[in-house]
Amino acid sequence: DSGVTQTPKHLITATGQRVTLRCSPRSGDLSVYWYQQSLDQGLQFLIQYYNGEERAKGNILERFSAQQFPDLHSELNLSSLELGDSALYFCASSVGPSFIEQFFGPGTRLTVL
Amino acid sequence: AQTVTQSQPEMSVQEAETVTLSCTYDTSESDYYLFWYKQPPSRQMILVIRQEAYKQQNATENRFSVNFQKAAKSFSLKISDSQLGDAAMYFCAYKEAAGNKLTFGGGTRVLVKP
Repeated sequence: DSGVTQTPKHLITATGQRVTLRCSPRSGDLSVYWYQQSLDQGLQFLIQYYNGEERAKGNILERFSAQQFPDLHSELNLSSLELGDSALYFCASSVGPSFIEQFFGPGTRLTVL
Repeated sequence: AQTVTQSQPEMSVQEAETVTLSCTYDTSESDYYLFWYKQPPSRQMILVIRQEAYKQQNATENRFSVNFQKAAKSFSLKISDSQLGDAAMYFCAYKEAAGNKLTFGGGTRVLVKP
C-alpha cells in the first residue's frame, strides 16, 4: 500500500458523459501527478499539481482538466468522453515538485461504452 | 524529447533462473534518474529499483539488479532466482533530475514457468 488513494476503483459510463476521478496523496506529499495507461498510448503523463498550482502539463486533452484543492486532494475531470478514453488512470504523489520518487495509487479503471 | 524503449514485449523464464530485461533511452540531459516499475495483475505500480545517473555503481535490491551503461544510454534489469510472484509487466522509466514527469517505456511482460 503506497498511501495514495484513488476513487472510484472502476467507472463505467457512456460516450459524451463527464466523470470525475479523485485522488488523495500520501500524508505530507504536496505534489500530485496524473497518468493515463491505455492500450494505444501506453503509460503517459497528463498533468502535475504542486501545492494547489499547476506545475507541468503533458499529453492532456482539452476535454480533460484537473485541480488540486487546499486539502491537497486532486480531481481529474474528463468530459465529452469517447471510446478511446477508456483506460486506467493513475494518480501519483511526491513530497516536492521534482522529488525523485513518485508513489502510485491503485488506479481508476474507466470504461466508456 | 526523452524517449524510453523496451524492445522485448515478452520474456519467459524458468522458476529459479535469471532473466534480463532491456531498456534504452534517449536524452540530452546529464542528470537524471532511471527506474524499473513492476505492474502485477492487480495493476498496482510498484517501484522495483532506481538508478541515479551520476552514480557509477549499479543499483541492487535483493534479487533485482541493474546494468547501467550511461554512454550507451542503456539500463537493463536482471531478476535473479526468479519466483512465481515476479510474473508481471515491467516498465522502465526516466525522469530528469529537475523535471516533473516520468517517461515510460512500452513494457515487458515477464512469464515465470514453474
